[in-house]
Amino acid sequence: GAVVSQHPSRVICKSGTSVKIECRSLDFQATTMFWYRQFPKKSLMLMATSNEGSKATYEQGVEKDKFLINHASLTLSTLTVTSAHPEDSSFYICSARVGSGNTGELFFGEGSRLTVL
Amino acid sequence: AQSVTQPDIHITVSEGASLELRCNYSYGATPYLFWYVQSPGQGLQLLLKYFSGDTLVQGIKGFEAEFKRSQSSFNLRKPSVHWSDAAEYFCAVGITGGGNKLTFGTGTQLKVEL
Repeated sequence: GAVVSQHPSRVICKSGTSVKIECRSLDFQATTMFWYRQFPKKSLMLMATSNEGSKATYEQGVEKDKFLINHASLTLSTLTVTSAHPEDSSFYICSARVGSGNTGELFFGEGSRLTVL
Repeated sequence: AQSVTQPDIHITVSEGASLELRCNYSYGATPYLFWYVQSPGQGLQLLLKYFSGDTLVQGIKGFEAEFKRSQSSFNLRKPSVHWSDAAEYFCAVGITGGGNKLTFGTGTQLKVEL
């Protein structure tokens, strides 16, 4: 199957700093990628839809200035957590779609665990 | 809006025993349904999916799921569980025109006793 890779897998930062997480589709091109946030023992919450060459679409309640998403190429989307605070600590997972429409299969990255001290 | 309920937070089964994980969804039309598995600290792997057609779908690792419209359910089953099946299982629903935006259930943590 298709491979989606995230980097870094773990990151620890100080409060007030910014952190960038990369999501790459290794063997396919993805015009659309999705960013999820997963709290401990909770489900995945869709944060935003990342579209190559255009602005991301954010879900209700997600601060777009806080979570900057850039999809500069067909194989790379980045999520930048700006001015991170301890409450931003979470597991962030990206996914990319192979194919088009609703039946295109989603492949998920390994996730990135952010800890803000 | 669509929603997914996984009633069981934790399930423990003995290795070799059968398994059924429950999933109920709420959506006005026929949804797209998925089951994913997540190992600790890892991303999600697709086990199986239902879009249309045969309501009994086969997936990887010996899993199957049955779509029952009358019960709004999409339960995951496996005849004989292996210790390596211990993981978190998520049911998800996608909607027509939703562009692959999935709504996930809260997950079921499966423990396998040897």
